[in-house]
Amino acid sequence: KQEVTQIPAALSVPEGENLVLNCSFTDSAIYNLQWFRQDPGKGLTSLLLIQSSQREQTSGRLNASLDKSSGRSTLYIAASQPGDSATYLCAVRLMEYGNKLVFGAGTILRVKS
Amino acid sequence: DAGVIQSPRHEVTEMGQEVTLRCKPISGHDYLFWYRQTMMRGLELLIYFNNNVPIDDSGMPEDRFSAKMPNASFSTLKIQPSEPRDSAVYFCASSWASGDTQYFGPGTRLTVL
Repeated sequence: KQEVTQIPAALSVPEGENLVLNCSFTDSAIYNLQWFRQDPGKGLTSLLLIQSSQREQTSGRLNASLDKSSGRSTLYIAASQPGDSATYLCAVRLMEYGNKLVFGAGTILRVKS
Repeated sequence: DAGVIQSPRHEVTEMGQEVTLRCKPISGHDYLFWYRQTMMRGLELLIYFNNNVPIDDSGMPEDRFSAKMPNASFSTLKIQPSEPRDSAVYFCASSWASGDTQYFGPGTRLTVL
């Protein structure tokens, strides 16, 4: 059974700091991995999607990497801002279950001004 | 595009009552997903549809839960009878193609007293 773990569970940093969020998964047979952002009381917003054949994806200040063989992904946020405060979730799409996404529990990020 | 639309945004009901949650996916998306989010279990896939046909309902917790998609622009998730442990936020999401980015609605917060 695929399990997705995110570390740390919560993180508080001062504005301007670069930070890394971690995601690990137990089964390397994945189609892709997505990073989402969730603001309180709202739905999820997709940030980056990395296909299993890719090593990384970048969007603005965000960079996500994928090491499928070791079952790890990282989300790097450069020059953090208070507006980045949210919960960040990673999800893996399983190869043998069609479109099923398995989510981690998320990392709650707070960027202090 | 208006994005994925869910209604109601909040629902408070009493145990034993029937609850119907509604979702309008993004126009043109062939896949529709229903998720449930709780503090204890995180985000879980309940069921998903492809071209209005249910593909995987293995996440539906009990026979009390049922989902339909009568046409490409509308889906419902029904709980009958509802129980306090069904209290959660229910999300609907849609995507263009298999494995593509999923776009989430704002969710329906259900409270069963």
